[in-house]
Amino acid sequence: DIQMTQSPSSVSASIGDKVTITCRASQGISGWLGWYQQKPGKAPKLLIRDASTLQSGVPSRFSGSGSGTDFTLTINNLQPEDFATYYCQQPTGLTLAFGQGTKVEV
Amino acid sequence: EVQLLESGGGLVQPGGSLRLSCATSGFTFSNYALSWVRQAPGKGLEWVSTFTGVSANIYYADSVKGRFTVSRDNSRATLYLQMNSLKGDDTAVYYCAKLLTSGYGTSYFESWGQGTLVTVSS
Repeated sequence: DIQMTQSPSSVSASIGDKVTITCRASQGISGWLGWYQQKPGKAPKLLIRDASTLQSGVPSRFSGSGSGTDFTLTINNLQPEDFATYYCQQPTGLTLAFGQGTKVEV
Repeated sequence: EVQLLESGGGLVQPGGSLRLSCATSGFTFSNYALSWVRQAPGKGLEWVSTFTGVSANIYYADSVKGRFTVSRDNSRATLYLQMNSLKGDDTAVYYCAKLLTSGYGTSYFESWGQGTLVTVSS
């Protein structure tokens, strides 16, 4: 099974900052990767699929890149509503897997 | 509007059983793959099971294989998760999710329910 590793586990940031989260797959998954945002007490929300395609309604300050085993989620000009936990997800094969999460906090 | 509503969670003793339901609306239920994803308190997301759409294939995480059974009732547009031989490690919020799939074999969790809490404790 493919394992996903995110870093860092948490990041401290301020409004207006640029935040970068990385995700590494244990084997190559081409350009297939999803990113999710989860706020406390809420269900996760799909932000990005196929490594770089923003879901409808997701602000353009979010972007994704990468292929193979290494992927990045970037949040430009961090806004108050962006403080949350972010998960990557490998979408291929019969078993699906998430990274362990990255908490973006003040 | 796609809606998913989980129910059936609660407190159960170790070794016990529980059945979760996920009632859906807003899409053609039988055509879409659905999954269960869980989240232990203060922990990350763990994929549990997938029931595909038209092909009706079922997949489980190793952690629940042989103990959990997923099924669906197309007439009721409802997905179920029968959980047997429950352990403390199964304590979690259980989410139902509709998958966005592609011809490339990818599956993303596109829509989610609000979750239902299962607590396994004596």
